[in-house]
Amino acid sequence: EAGVTQSPTHLIKTRGQQATLRCSPISGHTSVYWYQQALGLGLQFLLWYDEGEERNRGNFPPRFSGRQFPNYSSELNVNALELEDSALYLCASSLAPSGRANTQYFGPGTRLTVL
Amino acid sequence: AQSVSQHNHHVILSEAASLELGCNYSYGGTVNLFWYVQYPGQHLQLLLKYFSGDPLVKGIKGFEAEFIKSKFSFNLRKPSVQWSDTAEYFCAVNAYTGRRALTFGSGTRLQVQP
Repeated sequence: EAGVTQSPTHLIKTRGQQATLRCSPISGHTSVYWYQQALGLGLQFLLWYDEGEERNRGNFPPRFSGRQFPNYSSELNVNALELEDSALYLCASSLAPSGRANTQYFGPGTRLTVL
Repeated sequence: AQSVSQHNHHVILSEAASLELGCNYSYGGTVNLFWYVQYPGQHLQLLLKYFSGDPLVKGIKGFEAEFIKSKFSFNLRKPSVQWSDTAEYFCAVNAYTGRRALTFGSGTRLQVQP
């Protein structure tokens, strides 16, 4: 069974530009989550999408946005890039929300570098 | 807001030594608990999880964790570590509020010396 995939592996942008990161969930998973792993800040929750809708958002500014497509893949967009946006962006997926159970499986991440 | 504390930032052990990594969380309600591992050059992998039932849970590669509700703890243990256990270990909590977001600890880097 294929795991969560993310593209690109690395992305280099300059300050002020926009970055688009992509994620394909495990087959059968409808929920996609985005996390930021920045140096010194640890893993922080960004966004949760399920069935095409944004369900929950972490403590990040509105220039972090995304969407989920009908095939459940997802995009994370970061506008007006700042130097501190440099981080590893992880995508995770899970089965549809059902009661308590919520096991998230992670992809390899996209390393975003802002110059 | 919930938070997760991992007490040990860097642990160095010799092969065959026993391991215990601490994890405490702050949330008074029902929680789901996880340990993830990140081996060098690899992505985050699920080691084990606790939702309910027996508070002693077993995971992959001989790891286990015990949920102690009264102490808000979910410590990870392995009786005898191997060089291949060298990795970073993350404790994560999902408060059962419907929000589904995982809150991670800062991670513990384990170095096992042969």
